[in-house]
Amino acid sequence: KQEVTQIPAALSVPEGENLVLNCSFTDSAIYNLQWFRQDPGKGLTSLLLIQSSQREQTSGRLNASLDKSSGRSTLYIAASQPGDSATYLCARTADSSYKLIFGSGTRLLVRP
Amino acid sequence: KAGVTQTPRYLIKTRGQQVTLSCSPISGHRSVSWYQQTPGQGLQFLFEYFSETQRNKGNFPGRFSGRQFSNSRSEMNVSTLELGDSALYLCASSLAVKRNHEQFFGPGTRLTVL
Repeated sequence: KQEVTQIPAALSVPEGENLVLNCSFTDSAIYNLQWFRQDPGKGLTSLLLIQSSQREQTSGRLNASLDKSSGRSTLYIAASQPGDSATYLCARTADSSYKLIFGSGTRLLVRP
Repeated sequence: KAGVTQTPRYLIKTRGQQVTLSCSPISGHRSVSWYQQTPGQGLQFLFEYFSETQRNKGNFPGRFSGRQFSNSRSEMNVSTLELGDSALYLCASSLAVKRNHEQFFGPGTRLTVL
């Protein structure tokens, strides 16, 4: 079974902290891994996409890495801000299809 | 460039009715996928369409169906609605070139079944 696990389920940090969100998957046959954020009651916003041939991607204060051998991806958020408060989801595709398999998300609260 | 749009944004139906949801992908995107999001099951894949053909289907009953038109717009239909169909239905589109499968999501349609 292709499972994606995200730890922790919830995280509360003070503003300004650097933080790491974790995503692990059971099948190393990964094609793409994508990180999203979701605000309450809203759709998903794409943050970063890592193709299987890549090890990391960066966008502004965000950096995502992929380690296929260990079945892990991490999302690093530098200098967190209250506006970063949201649920962060990772999702993988296992082959060339477009079927995304999602983790259950990490709910992040950045306190002012 | 406009993002993925979904209509309607909110729907209230009663058990046994049917519903049709619409999705317009980002201009130039040819792949459209549908997902169901519920508090208990999280995000689950329904199906994916490319060039009017269903390429992949998730583990949902036949009451859930979809189609894609020649302009890449897509619709999904749910017949004989059940209470458990209450969910946020999300549509995603992708440019679908080479190995870049980045998917962009719409705001979703919130379906409530009474």
